[in-house]
Amino acid sequence: QSVLTQPPSVSAAPGQKVTISCSGGSFNIGNNYVSWYQQLPGTAPKLLIYEDNKRPSGILDRFSGSKSGTSATLDITGLQTGDEADYYCGTWDSSLNAGVFGGGSKLTVL
Amino acid sequence: QITLKESGPTLVKPTQTLTLTCTFSGFSLSTTGEGVGWIRQPPGKALEWLAGIHWNGDKRYSPSLKSRLTIAKDTSKNQVFLTMTDMAPVDTAIYYCAHRPPGFYYLDYWGQGTLVTVSS
Repeated sequence: QSVLTQPPSVSAAPGQKVTISCSGGSFNIGNNYVSWYQQLPGTAPKLLIYEDNKRPSGILDRFSGSKSGTSATLDITGLQTGDEADYYCGTWDSSLNAGVFGGGSKLTVL
Repeated sequence: QITLKESGPTLVKPTQTLTLTCTFSGFSLSTTGEGVGWIRQPPGKALEWLAGIHWNGDKRYSPSLKSRLTIAKDTSKNQVFLTMTDMAPVDTAIYYCAHRPPGFYYLDYWGQGTLVTVSS
């Protein structure tokens, strides 16, 4: 049971937009920055978004993040088959004094 | 350029103690704000944060595993170690180490991971 809640799966057609949600509480998302990670099959996670909405160098602007209260979202526009992966949200939990992740969302590009 | 690589046994027996090493380059744990974390992922399951250590020796542990985990560093060798006691089959997972940059929490560079299987 993950501290952060994500939908297990999301899907959309190529070229379309998908939104992945991440829900938490006041001690984690509500008071700490959220990061997002992409995990392609058989590979290590890769940072996509940090500090709620910042993109590391090399990450395309098709990926964007936002946060409101105790929930965060990852938007992916212009979907490509190469975007099929598992996506995880993560943050710090000030009550647990530990890092926490969501349960992951599997993206299927139909 | 930051790189990290995990090493350790691929197979451990139930009740044994696991020790993993994360060898990194491109940053130093003697630099203010730098940190390294350990994360694991059982086959087909989600990421689970295990522990973190900072440049100043500050350590944090997952509350659910705290009694079994020890994280340590050797700054001169650019290495971080994770020890997990009393291993069980449910601890079978890919274990990753990752770099935590100075400032707010996130993990920007990850190692390739190492699969540890717990079986008799």
